Amino acid sequence: DQQVKQNSPSLSVQEGRISILNCDYTNSMFDYFLWYKKYPAEGPTFLISISSIKDKNEDGRFTVFLNKSAKHLSLHIVPSQPGDSAVYFCAARPSTSGTYKYIFGTGTRLKVLA
Amino acid sequence: ETGVTQSPTHLIKTRGQQVTLRCSSQSGHNTVSWYQQALGQGPQFIFQYYREEENGRGNFPPRFSGLQFPNYSSELNVNALELDDSALYLCASSQTASEAFFGQGTRLTVV
Repeated sequence: DQQVKQNSPSLSVQEGRISILNCDYTNSMFDYFLWYKKYPAEGPTFLISISSIKDKNEDGRFTVFLNKSAKHLSLHIVPSQPGDSAVYFCAARPSTSGTYKYIFGTGTRLKVLA
Repeated sequence: ETGVTQSPTHLIKTRGQQVTLRCSSQSGHNTVSWYQQALGQGPQFIFQYYREEENGRGNFPPRFSGLQFPNYSSELNVNALELDDSALYLCASSQTASEAFFGQGTRLTVV
């Protein structure tokens, strides 16, 4: 049972345009949502997070939007750069876990075209 | 800049053997978690250590075990290796629930 889903395996965007990466979840008891990017042969790099009590968080070119009623979050990257080409994972923490356990989606491969 | 380091980066083991993977957490982070990432999948939570004790575990059998040391570094031990244990093993350190920083991972191949 996949509680965190990234339904788009891949996405291509022109350099300078907006990249929108989507993530859906099924568990209402998640309290934090995190986004990571991953290059081949490297560990995931933390990008940005959002608490379930907020609906938007921004950090430089990265903005995460949370729609709790739709159980949906998205990561916006503006403007997209070729170096943003990587696999992006969303992750969610169950509030009942009492730990820093995160449930990850399967990832979306972003390709930014120069 | 994560500050989390893992060793070794690559490892090849034979089925039935035992393996130990190591992780140094980011300075000041007292919580270390281990994840397994199979090809084409997202990382899956194995377990977490806080102040030298396991305080959370995912759906992994007991042959996956760990340790945390007073300096917050950690080890992941896997006994009786199986072919399906071939994966990227990731260590993450955290101080708050809003962020977790990963190391570069150890690629384990079981033959």
